[in-house]
Amino acid sequence: DTEVTQTPKHLVMGMTNKKSLKCEQHMGHRAMYWYKQKAKKPPELMFVYSYEKLSINESVPSRFSPECPNSSLLNLHLHALQPEDSALYLCASSTYRGRGYTFGSGTRLTVV
Amino acid sequence: DAKTTQPPSMDCAEGRAANLPCNHSTISGNEYVYWYRQIHSQGPQYIIHGLKNNETNEMASLIITEDRKSSTLILPHATLRDTAVYYCIVRGGVILGIKAAGNKLTFGGGTRVLVKP
Repeated sequence: DTEVTQTPKHLVMGMTNKKSLKCEQHMGHRAMYWYKQKAKKPPELMFVYSYEKLSINESVPSRFSPECPNSSLLNLHLHALQPEDSALYLCASSTYRGRGYTFGSGTRLTVV
Repeated sequence: DAKTTQPPSMDCAEGRAANLPCNHSTISGNEYVYWYRQIHSQGPQYIIHGLKNNETNEMASLIITEDRKSSTLILPHATLRDTAVYYCIVRGGVILGIKAAGNKLTFGGGTRVLVKP
């Protein structure tokens, strides 16, 4: 299995909702990432997990809460989002040393 | 990580070679050049990477200048499916310490490539 699977593919949520994005990989990668991508812009790094521990938080607002329950799963919990948080959220994984960087297809999030 | 400069857009004809330039004049000795592409509404896809030697795989060739300050990605026979945004990224290889805890992949603006029939 050489894929990173993200669910759901599309999500519409209200500003008072709580939702979660899910990312899964079975390549044995021990580093996992969340990126945010606005339309016509490059992906921007949000969080990095290494060996299931949060190693980098790029000053992301607390309404985004990442979680890595095991080496294959990465979640992004969403709460009280704003319309400007609407974007494509990409998950990626890599080996600990950064090789084999693989992206999922993303979750397109719309906040209404 | 070193910053890269790419032209914002370029067109190329189907069946012809597409040459995508990238400047990375501040690259340091242990930094690799990576190329990714992103087809509309999909996740970025790895294409190729190199340190100092030219590299070729089934998707593309990577030519790195001798001083390593620039590189060119070559798509030998562009097809309509190659229409995408191409990102040139310079990133460290084996890095010790905190940076090894997930090697950040930092995207620049990229080049929007349109392959025309």
